[in-house]
Amino acid sequence: AQTVTQSQPEMSVQEAETVTLSCTYDTSESDYYLFWYKQPPSRQMILVIRQEAYKQQNATENRFSVNFQKAAKSFSLKISDSQLGDAAMYFCAFRTQGGSEKLVFGKGTKLTVNP
Amino acid sequence: NAGVTQTPKFQVLKTGQSMTLQCAQDMNHNSMYWYRQDPGMGLRLIYYSASEGTTDKGEVPNGYNVSRLNKREFSLRLESAAPSQTSVYFCASSDGAGFLADYGYTFGSGTRLTVV
Repeated sequence: AQTVTQSQPEMSVQEAETVTLSCTYDTSESDYYLFWYKQPPSRQMILVIRQEAYKQQNATENRFSVNFQKAAKSFSLKISDSQLGDAAMYFCAFRTQGGSEKLVFGKGTKLTVNP
Repeated sequence: NAGVTQTPKFQVLKTGQSMTLQCAQDMNHNSMYWYRQDPGMGLRLIYYSASEGTTDKGEVPNGYNVSRLNKREFSLRLESAAPSQTSVYFCASSDGAGFLADYGYTFGSGTRLTVV
């Protein structure tokens, strides 16, 4: 079974600085997708960024980028120029390609942004 | 607006009561899911439906039942609520094995359920 581990229950960053959230996963599959979701206090789950395992290039979405290390099964999220609106719970998630496409989530990292 | 609609948003139940959480999506997605979110536990899959007419157990199915009423609707039923089922429940949908599946899920806004 696939597992996703987020080793940092809480992180904090100063506004305008950079922070990296860690995620590791365990799978025997070779084709899969990885995601970072943001959950602000509104409770809504918002897709931040995704990565296909077959792509070597790290995904980037504006201030959000990932460091995908397939051999190490690591998928960290870097937030640059942190803003107060980035404060939220962040969940790393994994999904195999095909099959029932179930998303497996990590336990989350609570990010605080200090002004 | 297109998306996933969950009702109700909040609910308080007494131990032993039953209720059904409703979920509907209007994106013509094949697959639908029910997750529960507990502090420090992330989101855990309760049940899912890969396509209309099929349902399967997830990681934490005990105490729940589901119905995939049609392609749009996927309900979650608590037959005899217990305090351990106090949680936030999320419904989600995805395009299943289709091209858009790699864009992850679309989530509803969640239901906060308290069992006293």
